[in-house]
Amino acid sequence: GESVGLHLPTLSVQEGDNSIINCAYSNSASDYFIWYKQESGKGPQFIIDIRSNMDKRQGQRVTVLLNKTVKHLSLQIAATQPGDSAVYFCADTRTGGTSYGKLTFGQGTILTVHP
Amino acid sequence: GAVVSQHPSRVICKSGTSVKIECRSLDFQATTMFWYRQFPKQSLMLMATSNEGSKATYEQGVEKDKFLINHASLTLSTLTVTSAHPEDSSFYICSALTGTGGNGYTFGSGTRLTVV
Repeated sequence: GESVGLHLPTLSVQEGDNSIINCAYSNSASDYFIWYKQESGKGPQFIIDIRSNMDKRQGQRVTVLLNKTVKHLSLQIAATQPGDSAVYFCADTRTGGTSYGKLTFGQGTILTVHP
Repeated sequence: GAVVSQHPSRVICKSGTSVKIECRSLDFQATTMFWYRQFPKQSLMLMATSNEGSKATYEQGVEKDKFLINHASLTLSTLTVTSAHPEDSSFYICSALTGTGGNGYTFGSGTRLTVV
């Protein structure tokens, strides 16, 4: 029969606003946490990453916050633009062990930016 | 930077036939390639990990006889969906391990497979 999947959460913002996208992860042994942007019909595009021994990292217009206590990751996008409209995924990975290099993706959030 | 060329971008096939998806690394050698499947409005799910010259490692629940992965060279990894059925319709994405850390992955552009 037809499988029923979860629908991605959505976030709708006005151009120029700041956006905050959240993600929960489960693997406390992960070494890196990553945010990807995926446009329709394309592969994921790297945005920013953060090591597990950090709690904040900033890039150009983006900031990632990591809270290991509650296993929560967030992506803040400043001055959101229509071109930021996409699906955003968090992912985590380990740099050692049998799971080396494997990415575990979070659920994803659909960001829509209105002009 | 590193580029992974994935082909075809779209393919429609009849139920029961097989489809091959190719991922080529351009200007670098891809020792390790990951294959993901993504259903509409869902996340990417890892299917298997392939290493050049050795058998692929499949994730739990993924049928290795249905999803054949070949990584015979350092620049080419292929995924063949055998005896495809409508439930195999999905977006398939490859990713080469190109470094360490969060930016150590190069993704292909994906293949939209539709089985009719």
